[in-house]
Amino acid sequence: GAVVSQHPSWVICKSGTSVKIECRSLDFQATTMFWYRQFPKQSLMLMATSNEGSKATYEQGVEKDKFLINHASLTLSTLTVTSAHPEDSSFYICSAPAPDSNQPQHFGDGTRLSIL
Amino acid sequence: AQSVTQPDIHITVSEGASLELRCNYSYGATPYLFWYVQSPGQGLQLLLKYFSGDTLVQGIKGFEAEFKRSQSSFNLRKPSVHWSDAAEYFCAVAPSGGSYIPTFGRGTSLIVHP
Repeated sequence: GAVVSQHPSWVICKSGTSVKIECRSLDFQATTMFWYRQFPKQSLMLMATSNEGSKATYEQGVEKDKFLINHASLTLSTLTVTSAHPEDSSFYICSAPAPDSNQPQHFGDGTRLSIL
Repeated sequence: AQSVTQPDIHITVSEGASLELRCNYSYGATPYLFWYVQSPGQGLQLLLKYFSGDTLVQGIKGFEAEFKRSQSSFNLRKPSVHWSDAAEYFCAVAPSGGSYIPTFGRGTSLIVHP
């Protein structure tokens, strides 16, 4: 069935490093993907909508220059956290609309980002 | 804009006991409603969804939820909880039609005592 694969699942890096997270739709195409951020013990907050072949749409309060989103193909969206700092540490989850219009979003397994 | 309220941050039950997790939503029309479960460090797993039709929805792992329009609620229930059900549970609402971009509640942490 339709699956969303997210990589890496966990990354630890030094402050100032840029980190790229990949979100792939397996066995289906996704012209739109979504990126969420989840702080510990909190809900998922939509950060941005990734659009294939065009600019991403960011939610209010999300820094576009900090969180770069690229949707270069119909199966891949990437989120790059630029010059990451400890406050960027979080759990990031992507999702894609299911190919069946009667089904909800398919979610990736998330990426835990820890900035030292 | 839609919103979701999960009034209980934590719920503690004994294994084998029944469970009800509360969810209230705010939306101008009949929304699409979802319950997801998240184990620590994991992604989201869809338990069940309501789009239309029968207001009592059956899901995976023995869960069910009932949509009550008059109360704007979509409470999740399970008759007998297992220790493996301990996790974070999220209720979500999405506008009917469109790409089903959900708005999530804050989540309810389920603790199961042996």
